[in-house]
Amino acid sequence: TAGITQAPTSQILAAGRSMTLRCTQDMRHNAMYWYRQDLGLGLRLIHYSNTAGTTGKGEVPDGYSVSRANTDDFPLTLASAVPSQTSVYFCASSAAGGPYNEQFFGPGTRLTVL
Amino acid sequence: DAKTTQPNSMESNEEEPVHLPCNHSTISGTDYIHWYRQLPSQGPEYVIHGLTSNVNNRMASLAIAEDRKSSTLILHRATLRDAAVYYCILRDGSNYQLIWGAGTKLIIKP
Repeated sequence: TAGITQAPTSQILAAGRSMTLRCTQDMRHNAMYWYRQDLGLGLRLIHYSNTAGTTGKGEVPDGYSVSRANTDDFPLTLASAVPSQTSVYFCASSAAGGPYNEQFFGPGTRLTVL
Repeated sequence: DAKTTQPNSMESNEEEPVHLPCNHSTISGTDYIHWYRQLPSQGPEYVIHGLTSNVNNRMASLAIAEDRKSSTLILHRATLRDAAVYYCILRDGSNYQLIWGAGTKLIIKP
């Protein structure tokens, strides 16, 4: 089973350009999440979605936007990239948003903003 | 949000048990204790979680102190494939955030 797929695997982006990171899950999970992980640090939540049609802000939402038009897809958009957004981005999903549900993670997208 | 404290790194020998400690002195009654691990260049992977009672699964055991202010992840027989960063995370029902610390880097020596 594919689980969670992310695209692209890596990207170098010029500052000021926009970009959408793609995330698709095939587990029919209701909840999805976007995290960023800076070098040597733990993950930080950017945005989340409890179910299709709803989204919420995480710990570090500024400079990012998300949409959840259907259950499977949860794209993350950087409208105007800045160097501080250089990071590894992980998409995750869980059956529901409750505190006892395990999250499944994708392989990540490594983004470098120059 | 309640935070956790873990050692930066630990070493263990292959095929020996490993006990990874986590302190969470400000834990609230509704916080679940989650453990995830991250192998090099991969996304995190769920290991185990618990609320009050000790828990076992195919990957590990979770021992929770009676006052819930600390917990220990136990790998019963570590292999080289268990070398990873292990994160201890508290998660409550009032939000959907997993608050990640820097974790413990587990080094397995052959």
